[in-house]
Amino acid sequence: AQRVTQPEKLLSVFKGAPVELKCNYSYSGSPELFWYVQYSRQRLQLLLRHISRESIKGFTADLNKGETSFHLKKPFAQEEDSAMYYCALSGRLSNTGKLIFGQGTTLQVKP
Amino acid sequence: DGGITQSPKYLFRKEGQNVTLSCEQNLNHDAMYWYRQDPGQGLRLIYYSQIVNDFQKGDIAEGYSVSREKKESFPLTVTSAQKNPTAFYLCASSIYPVGTGSSDTQYFGPGTRLTVL
Repeated sequence: AQRVTQPEKLLSVFKGAPVELKCNYSYSGSPELFWYVQYSRQRLQLLLRHISRESIKGFTADLNKGETSFHLKKPFAQEEDSAMYYCALSGRLSNTGKLIFGQGTTLQVKP
Repeated sequence: DGGITQSPKYLFRKEGQNVTLSCEQNLNHDAMYWYRQDPGQGLRLIYYSQIVNDFQKGDIAEGYSVSREKKESFPLTVTSAQKNPTAFYLCASSIYPVGTGSSDTQYFGPGTRLTVL
């Protein structure tokens, strides 16, 4: 079964501390992985996707097929990073364009 | 931010009533999606449509219905058969590169909060 798991509902760190939001997935084929973010009073929006291999707002995420993980990392958290983060998966060969979302992790960056 | 819009922002329904949530996009996207967002459960797919006049059930379609008569519109009806309809509903759209099986960025609307009284 296709599944995305984000084990932490809430992650609280101090400003300047490193951040790692965990994401594990279950998918038998070749997945595409995404991180979406929802800031307070804003729409859900794409943060990054693994095939782009880029850093957005200082965040990076590497697809680890051996560990079936796609953890989101940032070396130094900023207060403006506080938001809800969702990991999502799409199957490349599923031919549907559907996304499967994890439960979400709220990141709280304290001053 | 005007690419995909949802209305109304807040909706109140009495038990036993059907209600329709509007979703419109002017991005010329082929694919559109409806999700339900509940605390602690993330986003769950209700229905999706890859092309006009076609739509597919998602993971939690029971008690919901949709139509896709126009490319830019994908309304969702929450019927009285939906046992627990109080939730935040999100509509999204994306380019759908037919035949590649690949996904593109999904663009989300601002959402509709439905409350059953």
